[in-house]
Amino acid sequence: DSGVTQTPKHLITATGQRVTLRCSPRSGDLSVYWYQQSLDQGLQFLIQYYNGEERAKGNILERFSAQQFPDLHSELNLSSLELGDSALYFCASSVEALGGYTFGSGTRLTVV
Amino acid sequence: LAKTTQPISMDSYEGQEVNITCSHNNIATNDYITWYQQFPSQGPRFIIQGYKTKVKNEVASLFIPADRKSSTLSLPRVSLSDTAVYYCLVGLPGAGNMLTFGGGTRLMVKP
Repeated sequence: DSGVTQTPKHLITATGQRVTLRCSPRSGDLSVYWYQQSLDQGLQFLIQYYNGEERAKGNILERFSAQQFPDLHSELNLSSLELGDSALYFCASSVEALGGYTFGSGTRLTVV
Repeated sequence: LAKTTQPISMDSYEGQEVNITCSHNNIATNDYITWYQQFPSQGPRFIIQGYKTKVKNEVASLFIPADRKSSTLSLPRVSLSDTAVYYCLVGLPGAGNMLTFGGGTRLMVKP
């Protein structure tokens, strides 16, 4: 257990639908990062939050949005889902210091 | 943002030492080098991080030459369970620029 909790582990939904992925960071970590990994693809950075504020934005589609709440958990909202959104979505957290990121076990999203 | 270049894949045999080199020619003065390991369908796992010279922990060593334009992750006596993808990242931790994972190196350890 890495200390980063992601729910749900698996999600199957239809095209056009909206889903919410949840991430609880490791205790004490203020930063949360979201990544998308499609089949046989690398990790694509989506967005970073630090203590409730958006810190950096990557290749996140306009149909996707995220937020970090006062208790530091984060949610990634994916709407108007397309088949190509099927992927593993990872959340990671870190302190604002050395040591790297701690990743969760991911949410596998399947859009049918 | 420092760009990294790694071999796409490497093969090794159990018990051998494996060295994976990452090139980062435009590394900035304050950048650190961090390596991650990823197994299929799992999140990446932090392996080691360094700034210069040599860093060693219980699972790996990281060698960084004086010019810091490259780094080498060394895995001693690999086993089948070390088969994974290894990523090299360069940037300032927490500053928002160590966010991009490249293609990584797919290490296959054979019996």
